[in-house]
Amino acid sequence: DIQMTQSPSLLSASVGDRVTLNCKASQNIYKNLAWYQQKLGEAPKVLIYNADTLQTAIPSRFSGSGSGTDFTLTISSLQPEDVATYFCQQYYRGSWTFGGGTKLEMK
Amino acid sequence: EGQLVESGGGLVQPGRSMKLSCAASGFTFKNYDMAWVCQAPNKGLEWVATISYDGSSTYYRDSVKGRFTISRDNAKSTLYLQMDSLRSEDTATYYCARPGYGYYDYWGQGVTVTVSS
Repeated sequence: DIQMTQSPSLLSASVGDRVTLNCKASQNIYKNLAWYQQKLGEAPKVLIYNADTLQTAIPSRFSGSGSGTDFTLTISSLQPEDVATYFCQQYYRGSWTFGGGTKLEMK
Repeated sequence: EGQLVESGGGLVQPGRSMKLSCAASGFTFKNYDMAWVCQAPNKGLEWVATISYDGSSTYYRDSVKGRFTISRDNAKSTLYLQMDSLRSEDTATYYCARPGYGYYDYWGQGVTVTVSS
């Protein structure tokens, strides 16, 4: 299986900060990557697919980039409602696998 | 807007069975593959099983092969997960999800399965 590694595992930031979350694949997955947001007690929600395509109704402060093995989710101006855990997921080959998550907290 | 609603979770003893259901609405269920994804307490997400749109093909993660069975009833727009020989490590929240074009675009609210004596 393709392994997905996210960093950092925990991130504290302030309202208005630009925040960057990282995801690394163990092999080339081209752009077959999605990002999800999971708030406490809720199901995950897809934010980004195909590495850089914003899902319908997701605020434009979220953006994704990268290809191959290295990917980034950026929140341009952090809002209080963005407190959540963020997961990346590859869908290139085999069992679709998720990263371990980045928990985003407010300072 | 698609909606998925799971049911059937709860507390079960090790070695026993449990069946989860997922009722779909708001999209043409029979046209889509469907999947179960789980999340152990305070852990990440793991794919469990996938079934093709017509039920002809099924896929499982290694740890549940031979114990779990995914199935569907397209006439009822319902997905199932039969879990047999349950182990403590199967304790998790189980989500029904639609793998649209590689990513999961619809998720249920999740149902908790606790395997404990």
